[in-house]
Amino acid sequence: AQSVTQPDIHITVSEGASLELRCNYSYGATPYLFWYVQSPGQGLQLLLKYFSGDTLVQGIKGFEAEFKRSQSSFNLRKPSVHWSDAAEYFCAVGAGSNTGKLIFGQGTTLQVKP
Amino acid sequence: SAVISQKPSRDICQRGTSLTIQCQVDSQVTMMFWYRQQPGQSLTLIATANQGSEATYESGFVIDKFPISRPNLTFSTLTVSNMSPEDSSIYLCSVDRAGGQYNEQFFGPGTRLTVL
Repeated sequence: AQSVTQPDIHITVSEGASLELRCNYSYGATPYLFWYVQSPGQGLQLLLKYFSGDTLVQGIKGFEAEFKRSQSSFNLRKPSVHWSDAAEYFCAVGAGSNTGKLIFGQGTTLQVKP
Repeated sequence: SAVISQKPSRDICQRGTSLTIQCQVDSQVTMMFWYRQQPGQSLTLIATANQGSEATYESGFVIDKFPISRPNLTFSTLTVSNMSPEDSSIYLCSVDRAGGQYNEQFFGPGTRLTVL
């Protein structure tokens, strides 16, 4: 069965520092992978997605992610974090079979220090 | 993307009562989904609501507790019935505009429910 693991529950970085949020997935075929962000009191916003092709994908707000099949990973990165990036980040994998369903990781809370 | 609105945005309810949450999309979509997000937790899928068919519920969720309507391609409702404090959560609807082919979903802002 498909699954997603986000090993880091909580991460704190200083403003201006680089960021990497980890995501590992379990899926038998080529996965559809997503990163969403949830700001306090808000719904989920799609940051970026991977379907196929170039394994380095660019998203909104300066985020990027790299798909590494050999490591079953889809880590999210940003070179310089802004205070407004403080939020909850969710990695998700498509459940396939044209169900439209997503399997979400447990989320990583990002705190940004001034 | 899609513009999705939910009503109410938040509510405080007494145990034993029911609340109906509305989800409106700015364009026609086949697939809509309802999620529950308990405090400090990730999202759990409650059901898939496709227009013209009965909602499909995930394990642990039943129609008597979470009846869903999907009267047309832009609207759905989720009712949380006979509420208890354990139902206090954020409830989110989402849509898939590609008929489930790529699993790409867009989310509404959520309804924050507190049950006393």
